[in-house]
Amino acid sequence: QKEVEQDPGPLSVPEGAIVSLNCTYSNSAFQYFMWYRQYSRKGPELLMYTYSSGNKEDGRFTAQVDKSSKYISLFIRDSQPSDSATYLCAMRETGNQFYFGTGTSLTVIP
Amino acid sequence: DVKVTQSSRYLVKRTGEKVFLECVQDMDHENMFWYRQDPGLGLRLIYFSYDVKMKEKGDIPEGYSVSREKKERFSLILESASTNQTSMYLCASSLNLSYEQYFGPGTRLTVT
Repeated sequence: QKEVEQDPGPLSVPEGAIVSLNCTYSNSAFQYFMWYRQYSRKGPELLMYTYSSGNKEDGRFTAQVDKSSKYISLFIRDSQPSDSATYLCAMRETGNQFYFGTGTSLTVIP
Repeated sequence: DVKVTQSSRYLVKRTGEKVFLECVQDMDHENMFWYRQDPGLGLRLIYFSYDVKMKEKGDIPEGYSVSREKKERFSLILESASTNQTSMYLCASSLNLSYEQYFGPGTRLTVT
């Protein structure tokens, strides 16, 4: 079983839709959770960084962590064509290496 | 803004060649990482370094070595390139192991 599971998609939504991206994990010691956005043929860029359970909002993006269910989500409101990318979740224990999901490919159709 | 640069965006090498991939960060970060990214497998850690001249193996170090002579520079070396090392190689850095990682643009390596 992989440490982090992420549905690869692809996910295709109309412009303006609310997008929900999710990851599940097996290691209850994970404390730090991140979402990265990766455009085609580019490196991942950090979108959101959260510690432990709860919600964090940044503009149109909301990251949600449910440690009891070992489940994290990224919500994108009012999705735009420029949001079309692959979204990677990542997580780790304190001081240890990162574990990445395989990424979900998102296309927002104008 | 953190800037991580990689020496090449695209590279084509022949089987058996020695290949050097270079990564430079400009934020005085302690830690640097090399990953490879393959479809369906995601990001896999090859090596990381937590200080100058210090290195640790990641999940898939076989066939690779690394060098960190200066804090800002971390090199990945393929001693004898093979076709199964065709991949996207990503370098990342972080202030320390408790902080988020910042990635470079990647090097797409093709070994023929």
